Order: sequence, then structure tokens, then C-alpha cells
Amino acid sequence: GDSVTQMEGPVTLSEEAFLTINCTYTATGYPSLFWYVQYPGEGLQLLLKATKADDKGSNKGFEATYRKETTSFHLEKGSVQVSDSAVYFCASAGGTSYGKLTFGQGTILTVHP
Amino acid sequence: NAGVMQNPRHLVRRRGQEARLRCSPMKGHSHVYWYRQLPEEGLKFMVYLQKENIIDESGMPKERFSAEFPKEGPSILRIQQVVRGDSAAYFCASSPVNGGKQETQYFGPGTRLLVL
Repeated sequence: GDSVTQMEGPVTLSEEAFLTINCTYTATGYPSLFWYVQYPGEGLQLLLKATKADDKGSNKGFEATYRKETTSFHLEKGSVQVSDSAVYFCASAGGTSYGKLTFGQGTILTVHP
Repeated sequence: NAGVMQNPRHLVRRRGQEARLRCSPMKGHSHVYWYRQLPEEGLKFMVYLQKENIIDESGMPKERFSAEFPKEGPSILRIQQVVRGDSAAYFCASSPVNGGKQETQYFGPGTRLLVL
């Protein structure tokens, strides 16, 4: 079945540091790929997505590129802020005709001033 | 345009009681998904519904759990005879009409169920 693997956390950074959170996937066919963010006590918010190979999703300074050859969708940000502290989930949707999401285990990011 | 609504936000039940979780999708969305997040784990798919139809319930436990999305009103996730292992956050998501793999799912704030 489909699966998504994220780098283990938690990740702790200082403000303005560079962020990378690794994500790899296995799926039938060509899935769509997503990054969601979850702030404490809240639901998930879509951060960015890519629906085909070599697409780059971007939002709020975050970027991720759909790499079919390495089955990866790593999340990056050049300069993190304290307000970026949250849990980040990588997810895939595909293999069937509808968009059931398969999630990674989540990566806790803490950014210190 | 209101987002996905879930209620209650927090629910406490004693073992053996029933839990009813409600989800109102975004306006114009006719596809609803339920996910469960166990402590310190990622979200796991439970069930996918369209109005009056269960499309995929492959993630639902075989016993005690049921879901519906009636023609009128919210989607309901029902857990009968709750046990402590049911304690989790339950999230509902909705997507627009065609619900394909490229569609974004919009999540509600979740219901946090605690079973004593």
C-alpha cells in the first residue's frame, strides 16, 4: 500500500536558520503530494502541494519539489521564524480515483529566538 | 465562507458510553473524510463519504465504529461502547465536488475524545 516517511524529529532551530524536513513516499501510480501544518490545538492547514513530477509547491517562504526519480518531496525554508513552530505533515494522495490522504508521522519543529 | 466545522471540540466519555462526533463540511463541498490521530502519531484515514453514500470505509475498525453523511445535516462519526484506546483526536476534512487526488482537503479543528 501507499506510505509516507518523514525524517524523525523533533527539529530545533534558531530563528533565521535554514530548514529542511525530508519526506519520501511509495505509491501506486502518480500521487499528488502535500505538506500540511498543524499548530497546537488546531486542525491541519494546507501549506503547499504539487500534483505532478517536477512541480514546485511554494507558500509563505516554504518550498517543496516533487522528485519522481527519488520519490521525494522535501520541505525547505531559507529563514525560519518563531511563528513557524508547529508540526509538519507530509502526505500523498493517489493510486485510486479519489484523494484519500496517506500521512507521514509528522515532524515537530521548534524555532527559538 | 466558513471553514469545516466540527463539534464538540472536546468530548469526555466513560468506558462503555457512546461518542457522537459531528462534521459540517465547507459550503459547496460534498465529499467528507474522517481521520484519527492517536497520541504522537500521524493521521490515519478512517472513512470517505459522499452525501448518503459510504465510498470507502477501509480504515474503520470492524466493530463499534460507524459513519454517515445524510442528505441534510452534518456527517456523524459514531463510536459505541468506547474504550480507552479510542482516546484520540478525530479530524474531518472536506473537498469539492469531484474529490480527486489533486483536490485539496480542508480540515476542521478536530474533536479530542478522552475516554476515562
